[in-house]
Amino acid sequence: GESVGLHLPTLSVQEGDNSIINCAYSNSASDYFIWYKQESGKGPQFIIDIRSNMDKRQGQRVTVLLNKTVKHLSLQIAATQPGDSAVYFCAEKGAGKSTFGDGTTLTVKP
Amino acid sequence: NAGVTQTPKFQVLKTGQSMTLQCAQDMNHEYMSWYRQDPGMGLRLIHYSVGAGITDQGEVPNGYNVSRSTTEDFPLRLLSAAPSQTSVYFCASRRGSSYEQYFGPGTRLTVT
Repeated sequence: GESVGLHLPTLSVQEGDNSIINCAYSNSASDYFIWYKQESGKGPQFIIDIRSNMDKRQGQRVTVLLNKTVKHLSLQIAATQPGDSAVYFCAEKGAGKSTFGDGTTLTVKP
Repeated sequence: NAGVTQTPKFQVLKTGQSMTLQCAQDMNHEYMSWYRQDPGMGLRLIHYSVGAGITDQGEVPNGYNVSRSTTEDFPLRLLSAAPSQTSVYFCASRRGSSYEQYFGPGTRLTVT
């Protein structure tokens, strides 16, 4: 079946460093990808999305890169701040339902 | 806008009991969904609705019922609670023209 998975369950970075969170997907027909941020005790919150006809999309301090050849996408957070500490997970939308990855827990050390 | 609201925040049930998890949104979104989140398994879709009067099954529908009598409300019913239904439940909504989902704060359910 289709799957979405993150490469590392946890990531620890120093405040001010850049963070890179990776995600692999299996469904070649996926045409839309979303990154969500989930803080402790809260629901997921949309961060940024990218369509399959794009390689890169930038937001405020965040960039998503999509490599369709190897079915991989990444979320880059520039100048990571303590408020960025959360669980991040990717989701893909193919023909039909969405599939969510498990999540990477990002910890920002002061 | 309040966004997506869910009640209750926490609930403990005994095996065999039934209950309804409430979800409401005030954004006039057509699409609403219910997910459960379990450690190591990501978000899994239980049921969804593309508009008032229309519901459909997701990935893990067994043991749950839904209805959508209004655009705003999408309650999830547990018919006879089982320990396997211990989880965190999230309701989400989105416009029909967008895939960006807005999630509620979640309901943490424990079935003993």
